[in-house]
Amino acid sequence: AQKITQTQPGMFVQEKEAVTLDCTYDTSDQSYGLFWYKQPSSGEMIFLIYQGSYDEQNATEGRYSLNFQKARKSANLVISASQLGDSAMYFCAMREANNAGNMLTFGGGTRLMVKP
Amino acid sequence: ETGVTQTPRHLVMGMTNKKSLKCEQHLGHNAMYWYKQSAKKPLELMFVYSLEERVENNSVPSRFSPECPNSSHLFLHLHTLQPEDSALYLCASSRVLGANTEAFFGQGTRLTVV
Repeated sequence: AQKITQTQPGMFVQEKEAVTLDCTYDTSDQSYGLFWYKQPSSGEMIFLIYQGSYDEQNATEGRYSLNFQKARKSANLVISASQLGDSAMYFCAMREANNAGNMLTFGGGTRLMVKP
Repeated sequence: ETGVTQTPRHLVMGMTNKKSLKCEQHLGHNAMYWYKQSAKKPLELMFVYSLEERVENNSVPSRFSPECPNSSHLFLHLHTLQPEDSALYLCASSRVLGANTEAFFGQGTRLTVV
């Protein structure tokens, strides 16, 4: 069974509007971390935002916020005021407590396309 | 400018060739990783080095051989690859401890095996 599921292979959003990218995860650990990365066509994975399993508040970083619903095991990324430069692949990832180093398990990604 | 640098950015090699991918990080991290990104598949973790010791090898074929001579450098030696090995190979680094330490990635090497 997949540990990280991103059900939206592709999404369109109008420039300046908000968009939510879905992510659900599966783990039996109590302590884990959830990450979102952006991958533009250049290939580099760019870290966007982190949410710890014990964090009581949803993480926010500028225009990015994470809608963390622990009971539902979901960690959706919300991008506000979309910009053309937001067009990219977006990956949700999880680090479990017993992983050495910072090994991440990634979802299949969502391709976001921002329309002018 | 990224703190993790990968070279080359693009590589085309024949199935009988031997080549190496290089990764260098300037972030003071002590864990480094190789990931493989194939078309239409999630990123797959290949190797993990923590404090210069290999701690994870996810059943990767022996035609891929990693090397970590120090905490700043990571290599992936390639020999007798198959066309299905064509993919984007991403290197990452992070601190070892702390669940909230993000991994920083390089821009990847786009490998094509012909």
